[in-house]
This record gives sequence, C-alpha cells and structure tokens, in this order.
Amino acid sequence: GQQVMQIPQYQHVQEGEDFTTYCNSSTTLSNIQWYKQRPGGHPVFLIQLVKSGEVKKQKRLTFQFGEAKKNSSLHITATQTTDVGTYFCAVNNAGNMLTFGGGTRLMVKP
Amino acid sequence: DAGITQSPRHKVTETGTPVTLRCHQTENHRYMYWYRQDPGHGLRLIHYSYGVKDTDKGEVSDGYSVSRSKTEDFLLTLESATSSQTSVYFCAIRGGNYEQYFGPGTRLTVT
Repeated sequence: GQQVMQIPQYQHVQEGEDFTTYCNSSTTLSNIQWYKQRPGGHPVFLIQLVKSGEVKKQKRLTFQFGEAKKNSSLHITATQTTDVGTYFCAVNNAGNMLTFGGGTRLMVKP
Repeated sequence: DAGITQSPRHKVTETGTPVTLRCHQTENHRYMYWYRQDPGHGLRLIHYSYGVKDTDKGEVSDGYSVSRSKTEDFLLTLESATSSQTSVYFCAIRGGNYEQYFGPGTRLTVT
C-alpha cells in the first residue's frame, strides 16, 4: 500500500511563530487526510485534499496538496498554545484502510 | 464525536491473561477499525471490519482477533496478553468521504 513520510518529527515554536509539517510519498496519492491529536486525546479529522495543487484553509491553518500529488503540507500561521498536539497525515489504501504518517509533534512556548 | 465509545478506558492485566476491548457506535457505520498507538510508531492498523461478521487483517494483526456480531459493536481480543501489547488502542469508524472518526481510546498495560 501507499506509504508516507512526515517531517519534522518534533517542532518547538514560540507562540506567534508559524509552523509547517510536511508529508511526502514516493508514489502518486489519490488523496490525503490530516488529523490532529491533542495530548492525551484521540485523533480528530481536520480535512481531506483530493485535487492536484489544492489549497484549503481553516482559520489559521492552510493545507496544500502538491501538483504531482506526492506531497502535502499543513501550515499554521501565528501559533497559539491551543495548537499544541501531534499532526498526522494519512493516505487511503484501496479505499478501506488509512496509512498514517509518523506525525509531527508541535510544542508551543507561551 | 460520531457516537463512538470504548470500554474499558483503562485496564491493567497480567501477562498470559485474555483481554477483550469493546468499541460501540450508535450511527450504523459499516466500516470499523482497531488501531494501536505507540511512541515512535504512530497509529498502526490491527484489524478492520466492513460489515457484520466481515473482518480483515491490518498491518499488526498477530496476537489479536476481532469479532463483529452486530453493526454497533466491534470487539478486539488479546487471547494471551504480552507486555509488547501494552499500548493505547483506538477504535474508529469510516465516514462518508473515507475520513475516520476515532473513539476516546483504551490504555492497556500488561504487567
């Protein structure tokens, strides 16, 4: 099935700084999903990208799908302490299963 | 949160004992999943179900079995728990656009 590598593994930022996590694949992806998991919580679905070059925004979060559909990014503008958590990308395998990236853990210093 | 509950939420058990975790959903979703989450390994699929009595293996199925006798319940069984199965277990259902919604998780410790 399709695999994805996610970088960085960890990121410390000062509150107010921007943050970006990247998800990369060696093969063309049909779509990509992003999830957020707060410390001690469960993964929560954020968004799904399907089209080449697609860009979607949710308030301070910007999600992009690469033109070749082999990579994706999640960018947070002006981080807040509420953004703390681990962000995962996930790709569909045969429609029935998701394969998750290793996640990027975001820590925000107030 | 898509009406998903998991029980128990925490469990400590001894090596060699059987353990069953329950996932319950109230919205009649066809697809249900069991994952384990460990530091350094992210989320890994154990088993999934695509209907009553229809299940399939995931990436890390060894040592686990599942059953789904009703649409709303998906059970994960560790026939003989080992310390390597200490983990956080999440159940999930699949939504209409292939996104997944997760339950609150079960923290299992095998001593």
